[in-house]
Amino acid sequence: EVQLLESGGGLVQPGGSLRLSCAASGFTFSNYAMSWVRQAPGKGLEWISGIGDSGAVTSSADSVKGRFTISRDNSKNTLYLQMNSLRAEDTAVYYCATRWSYCFNSWGQGTLVTVSS
Amino acid sequence: QSALTQPPSASGSPGQSVTISCTGTSSDIGGYNYVSWYQQHPGKAPKVMIFEVTTRPSGVPHRFSGSKSGNTASLTVSGLQAEDEADYYCSSYAGSNIWVFGGGTKLTVL
Repeated sequence: EVQLLESGGGLVQPGGSLRLSCAASGFTFSNYAMSWVRQAPGKGLEWISGIGDSGAVTSSADSVKGRFTISRDNSKNTLYLQMNSLRAEDTAVYYCATRWSYCFNSWGQGTLVTVSS
Repeated sequence: QSALTQPPSASGSPGQSVTISCTGTSSDIGGYNYVSWYQQHPGKAPKVMIFEVTTRPSGVPHRFSGSKSGNTASLTVSGLQAEDEADYYCSSYAGSNIWVFGGGTKLTVL
């Protein structure tokens, strides 16, 4: 069974940094592209960053480009999101998801990031 | 990278059919056959219901179907059931390893 477990969320001040992790199990992690998708409270889904199966190719939405960095460690079956220069509008539940055939087919339960002073 | 446009709400009675639209541009929906639809119940993670415009993943009821015409994709739920009440989001590949989501549609089963 595919399992994705996000961690690392919490309360951070504006301008601060946070690193999210997504531990994967139940499938061959190194065979799958991965993405981070976030959802602000009461709002819709927003794709923010993706990474290829080897980690060589990454992409990000304009809203986080230059501030957030996606990476992965296939030896640890773990996906990361380094978030710097955080803003109030980054407050959201952050989901990691596997990407296959141009869709997001398995999702974690999410981790809440709150940016507030 | 503009969000796709969905109606905020849709509704139908049990047994009826309802269609949710998702409008984009020639740079996303119109340019690729990579539209997917997600169902999200309150407090839960999204679940993929349709991918590649019309394909249902294993385990998704046949009541759910997808289509596309030009820059607009649609999700149809036939034979509405109470458990179909949820938020639905469309998504499309937009080229250059970028994806966009719609704003979401709240489906109410009357």
